[in-house]
Amino acid sequence: EDQVTQSPEALRLQEGESSSLNCSYTVSGLRGLFWYRQDPGKGPEFLFTLYSAGEEKEKERLKATLTKKESFLHITAPKPEDSATYLCAVQKGTGGFKTIFGAGTRLFVKA
Amino acid sequence: EPEVTQTPSHQVTQMGQEVILRCVPISNHLYFYWYRQILGQKVEFLVSFYNNEISEKSEIFDDQFSVERPDGSNFTLKIRSTKLEDSAMYFCAGRQGSGNEQFFGPGTRLTVL
Repeated sequence: EDQVTQSPEALRLQEGESSSLNCSYTVSGLRGLFWYRQDPGKGPEFLFTLYSAGEEKEKERLKATLTKKESFLHITAPKPEDSATYLCAVQKGTGGFKTIFGAGTRLFVKA
Repeated sequence: EPEVTQTPSHQVTQMGQEVILRCVPISNHLYFYWYRQILGQKVEFLVSFYNNEISEKSEIFDDQFSVERPDGSNFTLKIRSTKLEDSAMYFCAGRQGSGNEQFFGPGTRLTVL
């Protein structure tokens, strides 16, 4: 069964305290893995797409990496404005390219 | 920067009533999607739509749901007879023909009483 599991469920950091979020997945016919940011009451905001093991993408304080079974979102020196829920999703490469989301990691960054 | 828009932002309806949720995708997008997110739960895929037909749908998307692109710009989700458990945020998303990332709208909060 296709599945996306994110850990931890919630993460509290002090400003400047770097950490990593984990996304493990099992999916048949992976087309791509995505990271999104979601603020309360808003739609997911696209961050990164990763396609193959070993690939890395960076944007400001965020870096996403991918292996055959999991992906990490590394947050370097976070700021309070990085507080949000970070969603991992996998897209199947068949049919209508269905995207399966994990439950997300709620990140709180305290000043 | 172009954005996906959705209307209304909040819809309150009585159980058994029909609702239509509306989305205006980004103009150069070709693939369209509806997702829902029950409060505190995962974002769940409902349906994908391409070339004026459904390309895939989930088990949630039963006969009570339908989608339409009536005029080449709007993309709608209709729920024929709403149930209490349909209360959720509904997100529309779209993507270009090239590239796989989907861009989401701000959502419609549906409350069924």
